[in-house]
Amino acid sequence: QSVLTQPPSVSGAPGQRVTISCTGSSSNIGAGYDVHWYQQLPGTAPKLLIYDNNNRPSGVPDRFSGSKSGTSASLAITGLQAEDEADYYCHSYDSSLSGSVFGGGTKVTVL
Amino acid sequence: QVQLQESGPGLVRPSGTLSLTCAVSGGSISSDNWWTWVRQPPGKGLEWIGEIYHRGSTKYNPSLKSRVTISLDKSQNHFSLKLSSVTAADTAVYYCAYYDSRGFFDYWGQGALVTVSS
Repeated sequence: QSVLTQPPSVSGAPGQRVTISCTGSSSNIGAGYDVHWYQQLPGTAPKLLIYDNNNRPSGVPDRFSGSKSGTSASLAITGLQAEDEADYYCHSYDSSLSGSVFGGGTKVTVL
Repeated sequence: QVQLQESGPGLVRPSGTLSLTCAVSGGSISSDNWWTWVRQPPGKGLEWIGEIYHRGSTKYNPSLKSRVTISLDKSQNHFSLKLSSVTAADTAVYYCAYYDSRGFFDYWGQGALVTVSS
């Protein structure tokens, strides 16, 4: 069981908007620690997608956006494309663990 | 740009010790940041194993702490993972990663699959 909770899967048609939630607690997201998101394509290593809640690294399309409020965070993908089919993970720091924690991952399917 | 490459045996016997090395290129392991190990069992999510600071201090996941040792070799510009008393539950792809001081992993190795089996 992951410390951060994500839905196992979300799906949408091309062009639609999907969101992925990431719920934590008072020892991680709720304590004010930033949330980061990674995209993992099949058979590859995770790739940083969003850092510090809502910032995109260079090269990441602006279709991807992040937000954070209270003990939760969200990743939104607008204008869904076939190439967005992947697993997405949220990540934060946990003061109880004194280390990193991840969500269980969400599989995005483009219908 | 920092590049990371894991290496080590792909098969480990139960009760044995898993050993992996992460070679760092395009940057110095002596730079002011943490070097991390993350693993992913087949079909499952990511799990933080632990990390080492360039000065040698370490932090480990409490669930693995009794079995994990992370070390670094500045002369070889690499860092290593040892996990003892392995079982089939330790079968996973093991990633090394660069932990930016702002709190995220912005460089990852390609991953090394380690299978625990007799």
